[in-house]
Amino acid sequence: EDQVTQSPEALRLQEGESSSLNCSYTVSGLRGLFWYRQDPGKGPEFLFTLYSAGEEKEKERLKATLTKKESFLHITAPKPEDSATYLCAVQAYGQNFVFGPGTRLSVLP
Amino acid sequence: EPEVTQTPSHQVTQMGQEVILRCVPISNHLYFYWYRQILGQKVEFLVSFYNNEISEKSEIFDDQFSVERPDGSNFTLKIRSTKLEDSAMYFCASSLAPNTGELFFGEGSRLTVL
Repeated sequence: EDQVTQSPEALRLQEGESSSLNCSYTVSGLRGLFWYRQDPGKGPEFLFTLYSAGEEKEKERLKATLTKKESFLHITAPKPEDSATYLCAVQAYGQNFVFGPGTRLSVLP
Repeated sequence: EPEVTQTPSHQVTQMGQEVILRCVPISNHLYFYWYRQILGQKVEFLVSFYNNEISEKSEIFDDQFSVERPDGSNFTLKIRSTKLEDSAMYFCASSLAPNTGELFFGEGSRLTVL
């Protein structure tokens, strides 16, 4: 069975304090790994798709990387508006998404 | 910017009643999905829909649930005989192509079953 775990469960950072979120996965035949951002009471918002180990994607202060067992979402010099829950999802071939439980990020001014 | 819209934003119903949640996907998208998120839990896949038929469904999506695209714009989720455990946020999503990972989600419909 496909499994996705994320750590830490919650993270509090000071504005400007860089850090990384982890997504570990077990899936037979990874088709893609996806990062989403979810604000309270809202639907997830797409951030990145990663398809193969070694791949990296960047968007503003965020950079996502992928290995064969995990993905990291690096946040550089975060701002309070980066506060949200960050969701990781994986998709095996022929399957639909399996979302992880998320990391709740709070960035304090 | 095009967006997925969902109605109602919140519905309260009595156990055993039927509810219909409505979604208007992005107009040029071809693939439609329903997900749910019980408070404090993971986002869970319910069903995907393409070319007027279900393409995949999860174990959650049992005979109590049905989906329909009654016209060219709406995509609905019907829950027959609601149960307390159906209380959740239901998200509609759409995508231009399958398996891209880039799903566009609506803001959700919160269902409360009393």
